[in-house]
Amino acid sequence: EAGVAQSPRYKIIEKRQSVAFWCNPISGHATLYWYQQILGQGPKLLIQFQNNGVVDDSQLPKDRFSAERLKGVDSTLKIQPAKLEDSAVYLCASSLDLDVVGPDTQYFGPGTRLTVL
Amino acid sequence: AQKVTQAQTEISVVEKEDVTLDCVYETRDTTYYLFWYKQPPSGELVFLIRRNSFDEQNEISGRYSWNFQKSTSSFNFTITASQVVDSAVYFCALTVYQKVTFGTGTKLQVIP
Repeated sequence: EAGVAQSPRYKIIEKRQSVAFWCNPISGHATLYWYQQILGQGPKLLIQFQNNGVVDDSQLPKDRFSAERLKGVDSTLKIQPAKLEDSAVYLCASSLDLDVVGPDTQYFGPGTRLTVL
Repeated sequence: AQKVTQAQTEISVVEKEDVTLDCVYETRDTTYYLFWYKQPPSGELVFLIRRNSFDEQNEISGRYSWNFQKSTSSFNFTITASQVVDSAVYFCALTVYQKVTFGTGTKLQVIP
């Protein structure tokens, strides 16, 4: 079974530029998550989709971050414009959530390491 | 609001030693789920265990074991006879009504 795919793996941009990250979850997984992991910290949930609907985006800085999940499969996360403090690893995860009581196991992608100069 | 505290920032042990990683959580809800993940140097988080708040039974999986104590709000993780491949950052996470909170992680270094 293929895992969660993310691209690009690395990205370097200058502040005020725009950037987009792509995630392809495991086939059939209903729920998709985007996390931000700053160096030395735990992952922070940015947004959670169930199919193509948003479940939680309370920690997404909506003035500069946006995310969509077209057709309930792939997802893109965009930052526009980027700030220095956005330098982090952006992790995508997915979970099946089928007939499961409570949160299902999340499977993580390799992440995209963003450096904002 | 929920919170996860992993007070140990870094731990170093010599191979074959046992090591326990601490996790203390805070939540007012009675229904919640706890997870442990491993993040090796490659960066990809790997699921280790999922436990719900109504199941306090301890679990053992090979060299790994977990001790869940609701009385102290702790969900500690023990690696027995550690190996170099166990070197990684380990995260404890709490989920309440689908809202996920991760701890800051404990970096484990196993020295050969």
